[in-house]
Amino acid sequence: DADVTQTPRNRITKTGKRIMLECSQTKGHDRMYWYRQDPGLGLRLIYYSFDVKDINKGEISDGYSVSRQAQAKFSLSLESAIPNQTALYFCATRGGGAHQETQYFGPGTRLLVL
Amino acid sequence: AQKITQTQPGMFVQEKEAVTLDCTYDTSDPSYGLFWYKQPSSGEMIFLIYQGSYDQQNATEGRYSLNFQKARKSANLVISASQLGDSAMYFCAMREVRQFYFGTGTSLTVIP
Repeated sequence: DADVTQTPRNRITKTGKRIMLECSQTKGHDRMYWYRQDPGLGLRLIYYSFDVKDINKGEISDGYSVSRQAQAKFSLSLESAIPNQTALYFCATRGGGAHQETQYFGPGTRLLVL
Repeated sequence: AQKITQTQPGMFVQEKEAVTLDCTYDTSDPSYGLFWYKQPSSGEMIFLIYQGSYDQQNATEGRYSLNFQKARKSANLVISASQLGDSAMYFCAMREVRQFYFGTGTSLTVIP
């Protein structure tokens, strides 16, 4: 089984709808991240969390919210989706020890907002 | 100002040759980390190599090495003996304090 899973893998929604993207990890890592990837722009950080009570805005948090339900779960919500939120969304985790600098990415969620 | 700049949108390399992908960064934080990731056409992000700002030696991981020139704020990725499977997008990234910043990527095509 994959260490970092994202659901759904693909989602089509309409403008104005609220949607949630979920991320779960079995790596036991404290740090979790949400990114979006747009063609030609690389990845941009939306939110990050260092533990259940530590949630921080990233570079582009407007229009998004997150919830860290447990150490292993970090959800991203679009309260009222708009077409320019169409993108590929990645969740990532980062742990401690010898590989503390390495981020491990989920497979991504492709979101289309009509 | 861009935190990470990758100036090569696309690169071609002959199979078995070496290739260098350029990356420059901008930070005033004395402690930072530099990374390279590979993204094949299937879409997943694969970690390749890491360099810490205080590391004296250039990082190496198999066929990948990171040419770290601190004074020039550059962190170029060198891939030796290119293989067809190396064809992918490559992203340079930096950890500054607690946040990560990614470049816009370089598309590498390995020619048989």
